[in-house]
Amino acid sequence: QSVLTQPPSVSGAPGQRVTISCTGSTSNIGAGYDVHWYQQLPGRAPKLLIYGNHNRPPGLPDRFSASRSGTSASLAITGLQAEDEADYYCQSYDNSVSGSKGVFGTGTKVTVL
Amino acid sequence: ELQLVESGGGLVQPGGSLRLSCAASGFTFSNYWMHWVRQVPGKGLVWVSRIKPDGTETRSADSVEGRFTISRDNARNTLYLQMNSVRGDDTAVYYCVRDWGADFGDILGEYAFDIWGQGTMVTVSS
Repeated sequence: QSVLTQPPSVSGAPGQRVTISCTGSTSNIGAGYDVHWYQQLPGRAPKLLIYGNHNRPPGLPDRFSASRSGTSASLAITGLQAEDEADYYCQSYDNSVSGSKGVFGTGTKVTVL
Repeated sequence: ELQLVESGGGLVQPGGSLRLSCAASGFTFSNYWMHWVRQVPGKGLVWVSRIKPDGTETRSADSVEGRFTISRDNARNTLYLQMNSVRGDDTAVYYCVRDWGADFGDILGEYAFDIWGQGTMVTVSS
């Protein structure tokens, strides 16, 4: 069902930088739809991390940054901390015959070594 | 406090029906597009459906089209998901989410989800 592809997992030591890719197509990211990112801690509901491709909600640390280019997007976490261990999802919209529909990435588990 | 609280989940037999509710508080509900998102435990997020602020326009994923109906009662600040002809693969946690787009001039319901409920579990099994 997911039309946005993410790596299943990434890992890094505390303090390191990790990146998560989100690969779409010309019917979603490439069509100009914004990309948004969510963090889901174990047992919790997802939380908005990045909106409008690169914007952080108030209060979110600037260790999280994101960008979009062409048919893909990426999320970077710098200065990795133990509390960053979670699942991360990209989200956008996809053109269909009956109008746009929401789509999520396949999800990436971030492990802090 | 901005809040969404889902209810109505539970055990339902294949082919049966269930109605989920989502009570909104802390914001002007009638200004925002609202969506349902689901997640099979241990799996990824899946978008289910969305509804326009005035309730006049809806869109749903192909997997639920014709079986699930999203609706809202702005006077009661409540979002609904009527689930009919449920199947085993409908088993999931269902989240009610707010589309933040109204605060950024998006009128199409194609923006980020800034508020999430705690989720309600739906289990389809005989």
